Amino acid sequence: QVQLQESGPGLVTPSGTLSLTCALSSDSISGNNWWSWIRQPPGKGLEWIGEIHLSGSTHYSPSLKGRITISADNSNNQFSLKLNAVTAADTAVYYCARHGYNFGYYFDSWGQGILVTISS
Amino acid sequence: QSALTQPASVSGSPGQSITISCTGTSSDVANYNYVSWYKQHPGKAPKLMIYDVSNRPSGVSNRFSGSKSGNTASLTISRLQAEDEADYYCNSYTSISSYVFGTGTKVTVL
Repeated sequence: QVQLQESGPGLVTPSGTLSLTCALSSDSISGNNWWSWIRQPPGKGLEWIGEIHLSGSTHYSPSLKGRITISADNSNNQFSLKLNAVTAADTAVYYCARHGYNFGYYFDSWGQGILVTISS
Repeated sequence: QSALTQPASVSGSPGQSITISCTGTSSDVANYNYVSWYKQHPGKAPKLMIYDVSNRPSGVSNRFSGSKSGNTASLTISRLQAEDEADYYCNSYTSISSYVFGTGTKVTVL
């Protein structure tokens, strides 16, 4: 079973850029899966951020579009999230997740999550 | 894109059945059989419980079942057990190639 691990700074200053990476322990980002980022503000619900496919295709949340870039690094078996112009409202636990095989419209494997705090 | 609507809390006694509703719109739940359900314990990552409205992944108890009618999907937990106490979230694919989660439901086993 694939394992996903998020990494990146736990503290980002307001108006800066949040950058996270999701490393895959096995499986390959070049398989027939989509890969997503999902976040959860402290004490609140889940929010889908965006997804990427091996082809390079991406889809982003309409509420965050314009601030997000999701990219894949096939050679290093990882994909990344960049979120620009962050504010305190972007403070959350960020999860990376794998969609079900062959264009599955669900998330069957999740990373453990990483807390990112936006503060000066 | 508004979050799907779930009850804030549902409770039941051990052995009983409970149902969590998830109400969306014609842009998501009503027009796609791509509703999934997730269980989350505090401080832990969510776990997939149901996908494509009513399918159970391998390893998930058959006490969990899903259904859909119109713009409302439902998760039923039969023979409720203490270990079922957690937060539950629904999710749906949408007409603009995105995903939307539900507001979340806290399940309490009395």
